[in-house]
Amino acid sequence: DAGVIQSPRHEVTEMGQEVTLRCKPISGHNSLFWYRQTMMRGLELLIYFNNNVPIDDSGMPEDRFSAKMPNASFSTLKIQPSEPRDSAVYFCASSSNVDYEQYFGPGTRLTVT
Amino acid sequence: GNSVTQMEGPVTLSEEAFLTINCTYTATGYPSLFWYVQYPGEGLQLLLKATKADDKGSNKGFEATYRKETTSFHLEKGSVQVSDSAVYFCALSQYYGQNFVFGPGTRLSVLP
Repeated sequence: DAGVIQSPRHEVTEMGQEVTLRCKPISGHNSLFWYRQTMMRGLELLIYFNNNVPIDDSGMPEDRFSAKMPNASFSTLKIQPSEPRDSAVYFCASSSNVDYEQYFGPGTRLTVT
Repeated sequence: GNSVTQMEGPVTLSEEAFLTINCTYTATGYPSLFWYVQYPGEGLQLLLKATKADDKGSNKGFEATYRKETTSFHLEKGSVQVSDSAVYFCALSQYYGQNFVFGPGTRLSVLP
């Protein structure tokens, strides 16, 4: 298996622009997690899905952030409009109902200028 | 709610030194416990895990024992290498993976 796939790996955008981050979980996994990592705040859980349904979005910072999982093999995290304080590394992770271990993607480094 | 506490870093050691990174947790019931490692520029990788009390997880020379009486899961390695330099995260999972909580991470630097 190729593991969790994220795209793009790097994104540089200007304040006010829309940003879409993409994630393909490991085939057969039914839970998907979006995290944000910064030096100041560490690793923060933004939202997680189980069987494509959002279960907990209490970590989503504000209405500018939205996440979707239209099918078992694809999820997006959208920021609209983006702000400089959104600059961070965004990780996607997936897990199965067998061992519940989370497998992380390589991350997307977002820079908002 | 559930929480994980780790010793603050950074931790700096010389090659071949003994490593301990402390981790304690707060949770009801019997969570599964994990150590993840993050190398520079990469995502987190599972290092080891333990799913019940007194279990010992081990991998790549690292070990951790699930101690329910002290609610701890300390990470140890007898002889660290420069290649072990990374950030280490303690984590717990409960209720079929829905309540996954990470600690703040501990940065380890190993000097040659």
